[in-house]
Amino acid sequence: DVKVTQSSRYLVKRTGEKVFLECVQDMDHENMFWYRQDPGLGLRLIYFSYDVKMKEKGDIPEGYSVSREKKERFSLILESASTNQTSMYLCASSLQPDEQFFGPGTRLTVL
Amino acid sequence: QKEVEQNSGPLSVPEGAIVSLNCTYSDRGSQSFFWYRQYSGKSPELIMFIYSNGDKEDGRFRAQLNKASQYVSLLIRDSQPSDSATYLCAVPTASGGSYIPTFGRGTSLIVHP
Repeated sequence: DVKVTQSSRYLVKRTGEKVFLECVQDMDHENMFWYRQDPGLGLRLIYFSYDVKMKEKGDIPEGYSVSREKKERFSLILESASTNQTSMYLCASSLQPDEQFFGPGTRLTVL
Repeated sequence: QKEVEQNSGPLSVPEGAIVSLNCTYSDRGSQSFFWYRQYSGKSPELIMFIYSNGDKEDGRFRAQLNKASQYVSLLIRDSQPSDSATYLCAVPTASGGSYIPTFGRGTSLIVHP
């Protein structure tokens, strides 16, 4: 079974802090994605990567950056966390076009 | 920008009912769709991916795509309380060798015993 893991299930940070969210997949997938999910707004794509050191902006990249130094690991970085970044963050990976495997999610609260 | 619309619900049905969940899309060129199921507090899981006009069936789930009318449906027959979840429709856009989905906001389904 494909396994996508995220570093934390719950995270509480203060405004202005630098936040790292880590995602690791164990199936040698080329493609990895970061989404945020908010009530009433659904899933929105922040960034995705289709190869090591490659990244593409999604629909809402402002306030975020990403890093993919190794194929299995895709990190989301909040350079200076703000309260409007309080959300559920979901990582996903895929190899074939017809599949996306999601991690368990990180619920981030910024105070 | 592709738009994907779903009725948010909640849709409440008795156990055993046939459920029809609908999703409309704005880009007439779209030819494929994802359906995901998301239980409360959990992450989405892929139920079905369909491509081109026609139906696809997997157990109690059936996906139907109608390109002329620009909607895709997910039918669940013999619904069970364990089907209670939010169902997300997504339209993929080819990019970098993968498909990048734009998600609808989901339809909440409640199946009561």
